[in-house]
Amino acid sequence: GAVVSQHPSWVICKSGTSVKIECRSLDFQATTMFWYRQFPKQSLMLMATSNEGSKATYEQGVEKDKFLINHASLTLSTLTVTSAHPEDSSFYICSARALDRGGETQYFGPGTRLLVL
Amino acid sequence: GQSLEQPSEVTAVEGAIVQINCTYQTSGFYGLSWYQQHDGGAPTFLSYNALDGLEETGRFSSFLSRSDSYGYLLLQELQMKDSASYFCAARMDSSYKLIFGSGTRLLVRP
Repeated sequence: GAVVSQHPSWVICKSGTSVKIECRSLDFQATTMFWYRQFPKQSLMLMATSNEGSKATYEQGVEKDKFLINHASLTLSTLTVTSAHPEDSSFYICSARALDRGGETQYFGPGTRLLVL
Repeated sequence: GQSLEQPSEVTAVEGAIVQINCTYQTSGFYGLSWYQQHDGGAPTFLSYNALDGLEETGRFSSFLSRSDSYGYLLLQELQMKDSASYFCAARMDSSYKLIFGSGTRLLVRP
């Protein structure tokens, strides 16, 4: 099956620092990846759609200058949380739509837990 | 706005059958997916309905009624390992992005 990895799995950082999270599709090419945020006991909230070679599309209310997304290749998308603050602490999950698998299934990464002190 | 409503919690006994409902209000609609998420883990895909009717995959089945903006996930022969959160998610347009429901926590008791 399709595998999506995320790195790192855990991040603890000081307020004001920037954190980069990588999302990789390991055995397939993904023209489209999605970034979600999930707070404890809540649903997944879509943050942005990341398309290879073009600018990301952000959902309403998500600051594009704070959450920088780069999708430089068909297997890698990165999310950078700039100047992180405690309220940015959350579970960040990426997903990838497989190019050759009908596209109706999104394969999710294992997630990255961010704690900003 | 877009919304998908689910019951917050469901409790059932091992071996039983449980149905988790999802009603949606979206500006566009292509289909409804279901995902399972264990605590601390990532969502895993269960099923997808683009057309009205029932889709069966092993112990899990999913149903969609476009006219009623309604779907459900049916879990049969419940096992303890089925205790998890279940999310319905709507695909609204050609971008394949998903809007997730509020989630249902299923607790399976012995």
